[in-house]
Amino acid sequence: GESVGLHLPTLSVQEGDNSIINCAYSNSASDYFIWYKQESGKGPQFIIDIRSNMDKRQGQRVTVLLNKTVKHLSLQIAATQPGDSAVYFCAENRGAGKSTFGDGTTLTVKP
Amino acid sequence: DAGITQSPRHKVTETGTPVTLRCHQTENHRYMYWYRQDPGHGLRLIHYSYGVKDTDKGEVSDGYSVSRSKTEDFLLTLESATSSQTSVYFCAISALLQKSSYNEQFFGPGTRLTVL
Repeated sequence: GESVGLHLPTLSVQEGDNSIINCAYSNSASDYFIWYKQESGKGPQFIIDIRSNMDKRQGQRVTVLLNKTVKHLSLQIAATQPGDSAVYFCAENRGAGKSTFGDGTTLTVKP
Repeated sequence: DAGITQSPRHKVTETGTPVTLRCHQTENHRYMYWYRQDPGHGLRLIHYSYGVKDTDKGEVSDGYSVSRSKTEDFLLTLESATSSQTSVYFCAISALLQKSSYNEQFFGPGTRLTVL
């Protein structure tokens, strides 16, 4: 069946460093991917998305890379800040707005 | 923040009792969704709605039913709660085909449900 997974459940980085969070997906027909940030006690918050006809998309301090050949995407956060500490999920869109989520990577930013 | 509220925010109930969770939006978005999130895991889709009285099942729909009689409200009902339904439940909304995003979803604050 379809699945979306993250490579590492936890990631710890020093404040100011760049963070890279990875995600693998299994459905080669997937055409849209989303990264969410979830802070403790809150619902997921949209960060950035990318369509399958793109390899890269940039936002404010974040970049998403998509490699369709190996079915892998990554989220890069530049100059990581303490406020970036959260759980990050990649999700695959399955049409009509339905998302299949991975299990999440907990990012901890050390001061 | 998108105008999404969920009620109640916390609930403790006993096995076998019916439970209804409410999601209310003020954005007039067409699509609404119910997800559950278990510790250490991502969200899993229970049911979703693409309009008033139009609903469909997600990947974990067994034991749950939904209703949408108005654009702004989407109800999730557990007809007979079981301990395996202890979870955090999130409602989400989406307008789809927004100019700035293909399919951005906005999530509510969640309802923590404990079934004893």
